Amino acid sequence: SAVISQKPSRDICQRGTSLTIQCQVDSQVTMMFWYRQQPGQSLTLIATANQGSEATYESGFVIDKFPISRPNLTFSTLTVSNMSPEDSSIYLCSVVGWSPMNTEAFFGQGTRLTVV
Amino acid sequence: GENVEQHPSTLSVQEGDSAVIKCTYSDSASNYFPWYKQELGKGPQLIIDIRSNVGEKKDQRIAVTLNKTAKHFSLHITETQPEDSAVYFCAASPGSARQLTFGSGTQLTVLP
Repeated sequence: SAVISQKPSRDICQRGTSLTIQCQVDSQVTMMFWYRQQPGQSLTLIATANQGSEATYESGFVIDKFPISRPNLTFSTLTVSNMSPEDSSIYLCSVVGWSPMNTEAFFGQGTRLTVV
Repeated sequence: GENVEQHPSTLSVQEGDSAVIKCTYSDSASNYFPWYKQELGKGPQLIIDIRSNVGEKKDQRIAVTLNKTAKHFSLHITETQPEDSAVYFCAASPGSARQLTFGSGTQLTVLP
């Protein structure tokens, strides 16, 4: 499987500030996604990161709050903007398709964000 | 959109016993059903998946069954070991792994 690295692994941030999370994959992948996992909860899809174009956001998530970039087939960033304590969650990068035969989704280790 | 319900939310079993986790889904268009294991402080790890053209799939101590008519699928773990203790998530998608909708998770504890 692909090796997915997320940075930072955790952070504590002041409310009103922004944090950019990086996701680096060791091989080119077809699709990259960003998920949120609130404390003790399940995973919710934030958006699909599209290479060279604007991300596709799920209902309840907007670009102004969660801007996403994907400049190439191995890298993406998620920014959590103007943070509030309600943004405290684990943010997970997921990838699909590092070879024509691989259609499963794999996840990075996550970024544990605490907003104070 | 798709809705996935997962039961039970917590499950405790004795080492060596079997564990079963069940999920139901709402969208008849869903055709891909993966299961993930998440250990504390880690990202979800894919452990097994099944597609709608198959009724059952096994991988050593883990098996998944799918009933498309009833819209439910289950994870079966046999001969459980303490290292099986984790949170398990089911998911459903209408196409490959592109749009995964996750269940609420099951905290499995295997007692030595």
